[in-house]
Amino acid sequence: EDKVVQSPLSLVVHEGDTVTLNCSYEVTNFRSLLWYKQEKKAPTFLFMLTSSGIEKKSGRLSSILDKKELFSILNITATQTGDSAVYLCAVEYDAGNMLTFGGGTRLMVKP
Amino acid sequence: GAVVSQHPSWVICKSGTSVKIECRSLDFQATTMFWYRQFPKQSLMLMATSNEGSKATYEQGVEKDKFLINHASLTLSTLTVTSAHPEDSSFYICSARTPDSVYNEQFFGPGTRLTVL
Repeated sequence: EDKVVQSPLSLVVHEGDTVTLNCSYEVTNFRSLLWYKQEKKAPTFLFMLTSSGIEKKSGRLSSILDKKELFSILNITATQTGDSAVYLCAVEYDAGNMLTFGGGTRLMVKP
Repeated sequence: GAVVSQHPSWVICKSGTSVKIECRSLDFQATTMFWYRQFPKQSLMLMATSNEGSKATYEQGVEKDKFLINHASLTLSTLTVTSAHPEDSSFYICSARTPDSVYNEQFFGPGTRLTVL
């Protein structure tokens, strides 16, 4: 049973494009949703979302959570080749005792 | 899709005891497994890379004698936290890579929350 599902599985764009990555979840006692970027070693933390409708922004990246529809999106504007990576979504639930990762979205940005 | 499980999902132990955490790939053979620790502010730290049949490769600053890793089969890797102390309390997460991985994709386990009293 999938608890955290990311789409698309992979994406190829050109520099300057805007991309939207999706993460849907189905868990009990939701606590937070986390976005990570993984390039080489450990995933790099991007955002933590706990409240619906509040956009979190960092440079060209932004993310928002919809707790009613149980999903989150990660937007990247004006993509660069350095944005090429696997983007992971993870959900903390059951009072923070559980953490489940989605399968990731592989983004490739071509020059 | 590839499924990775961890056992136990959470454990509470007394200071000075050892705790073993199992990571299993359920429907594929994982030639490589990774162990991570989650720190405050949700950052993940790679502790070690475990290859089946060989010694684990530990990241700088990780005590190999304290965090024993065994990857005895293509579907099982274990992390043993020896002489655990309260500062070892954390979320420990494993991931596994399939042999035919092209883009280094990893499949993550659900994590194990360790609380040391």
